This record gives sequence, C-alpha cells and structure tokens, in this order.
Amino acid sequence: EAGVVQSPRYKIIEKKQPVAFWCNPISGHNTLYWYLQNLGQGPELLIRYENEEAVDDSQLPKDRFSAERLKGVDSTLKIQPAELGDSAVYLCASSPRTSGIETQYFGPGTRLLVL
Amino acid sequence: QKEVEQNSGPLSVPEGAIASLNCTYSDRVSQSFFWYRQYSGKSPELIMSIYSNGDKEDGRFTAQLNKASQYVSLLIRDSQPSDSATYLCAAGLTGNQFYFGTGTSLTVIP
Repeated sequence: EAGVVQSPRYKIIEKKQPVAFWCNPISGHNTLYWYLQNLGQGPELLIRYENEEAVDDSQLPKDRFSAERLKGVDSTLKIQPAELGDSAVYLCASSPRTSGIETQYFGPGTRLLVL
Repeated sequence: QKEVEQNSGPLSVPEGAIASLNCTYSDRVSQSFFWYRQYSGKSPELIMSIYSNGDKEDGRFTAQLNKASQYVSLLIRDSQPSDSATYLCAAGLTGNQFYFGTGTSLTVIP
C-alpha cells in the first residue's frame, strides 16, 4: 500500500512570493490533515478535512494561507504571499475513517525556506 | 494549559538501559493516546497507541496510561543507538482530532 505522498520535498522561495504544496493521502482515507512543524516543536494543525469538507481550519492564517480538497482525495495548501516566518516543514497526514479515533499516517513533508 | 505536555529533554541513556518518556494531558483530550518517533529530518512514524488504563507492550516498547493522573508514558527497554530520535506524544479525540506535544529528544549512548 502506498503511503502519503507529498510534493515538492523542498522549496526555497523569496519572501512575498507564492508557494503551493500538494498531498495525496493513502487510498481510501477520508480524513486529511495539514500540519506545520517548526524545529524542535510538535506538529501544529493548520486544517483538517473530512472528505472534501474543511471541518477544522481555526488555526489556518486565512489572510495568506488557503487550502482545497476539491474531490475529497488529494489536497493543495497555498501560501500567498510567503513571509520569513513561514519557513518550516509542512506535513500532510491521513486517517482512514471519519468516526472514532483512527491512527494518522504522515507523509515525508515539504521543507520550506523563505529568504 | 496546553492539551498535551512533554518534557523536551534532552534525555540521554546508555545503550541497554531503559528509557522513560512522559507526557501529561488536559481533560479535553482524555480519549486515545499515541506515541510517534521522529528521526531528524524525517516525518513522524507511529510506535504505539493506547486507549485503556494500564500497560500495553509491543516488543521493547511499553506504553502506560493512567487516566486518573492524566499521564501517559513510553518505556523503551534495552535501548539501542537506533532509538535515538524525538518522541512525540499525541492525544486523540473522537472525530479524528489530534493534539501533539512538543516532543522529547532521546539519545542512546553506545
């Protein structure tokens, strides 16, 4: 079974530029998460999808961040414009069901460096 | 108070010793608990999950949950240098909501 796929793995951009990250969850997984992880910190949730619906986006900085999961499968996270403080690892994870509590499986992450 | 709190360490143990990693949590997230291992530059990978009070063993790993004390721990027996990593404690709520601690850095010294 293929794991969670993310691309790109690394991205270097200048501040004020836009950037987009892509995630394809494990097949059949309804729940998809985007996390931000700073060095020495645990993952912090940005947004959680149940199928195509964003059910928790309270921590997403909506002035510059946006996300979509149009067909309930893969997802895109965008930052426009990027700021220096956005440099971090962006992790995508997925879980198999929408009810109960299911284990999350993480993708390899995208390392973003904003110069 | 944060939902999940961990001692960030670093924790150092000699090879072959028992490493003990601890985590406390708030009332809001008292349902299911997970331990993830994260090597430097890699993504978190699940080691153990625990849902009920008591101990759960899997090979060299034992997870312990004490809901009365709001405390969950991970014991690693016969620690190996390959166990050197950051260990993340996570709490889960119904509806697939998860809260992570900041992680504890473990170094196993050969």
